[in-house]
Amino acid sequence: QSVLTQPPSASGTPGQRVTISCSGSTSNIGSNSVNWYQQLPGTAPKLLIYSNNQRPSGVPDRFSGSKSGTSASLAISGLQSEDEADYYCAAWDDSLLGPVFGGGTQLTVL
Amino acid sequence: QVQLQESGPGLVKPSETLSLTCTVSGGSFSTYYWSWVRQPPGKGLEWIGNIYDSVTTNYNPSLKSRVTISVDMTKNQFSLKLTSMTAADTAMYYCARDYIIGGMDVWGQGTTVTVSS
Repeated sequence: QSVLTQPPSASGTPGQRVTISCSGSTSNIGSNSVNWYQQLPGTAPKLLIYSNNQRPSGVPDRFSGSKSGTSASLAISGLQSEDEADYYCAAWDDSLLGPVFGGGTQLTVL
Repeated sequence: QVQLQESGPGLVKPSETLSLTCTVSGGSFSTYYWSWVRQPPGKGLEWIGNIYDSVTTNYNPSLKSRVTISVDMTKNQFSLKLTSMTAADTAMYYCARDYIIGGMDVWGQGTTVTVSS
């Protein structure tokens, strides 16, 4: 059972906007910034969003992140077939003294 | 461009010790945190631990009694040892450069470890 809670699945059609939620607690999301990872099938995770809403170089601006209180969200606009992947949220946990992850959300592009 | 590459045995017997190495190439090895993360088949990501400045280590409390992470600065490598392996430790093991608050920005391709007799 993961420390951060994500919906197991999400879906959308090409061009749509989808959001993926991530819920935590005061010891992780409530106190620290949130990072998001994209894991394409059969590959290693890739940092998609860091520090709540920052995109690493090369990540399209279709991807955006936000945080409020002990929850965070990843939004993907203009959905494309290549966005079909697993998405994980993560945050430093002050109790664990390490990062904790969500269980992952499998995004399907219909 | 920093690249990471994991290496080690793909098969470990129950009760034995897993030893994995991550080789860092194309960039500075010092001044970063270096983490190990694993992913059981069909499941999510689990942080194992990290090392900083060659001596400072942090481990997931759930694995702390069995984990050791160390660094060989002369070879630009850091290593993971996990003792008393069981079937529950079967997973893909990744090494990653860790900015802590800023996330893990570079990952190795991962190495599959199966625990079986």
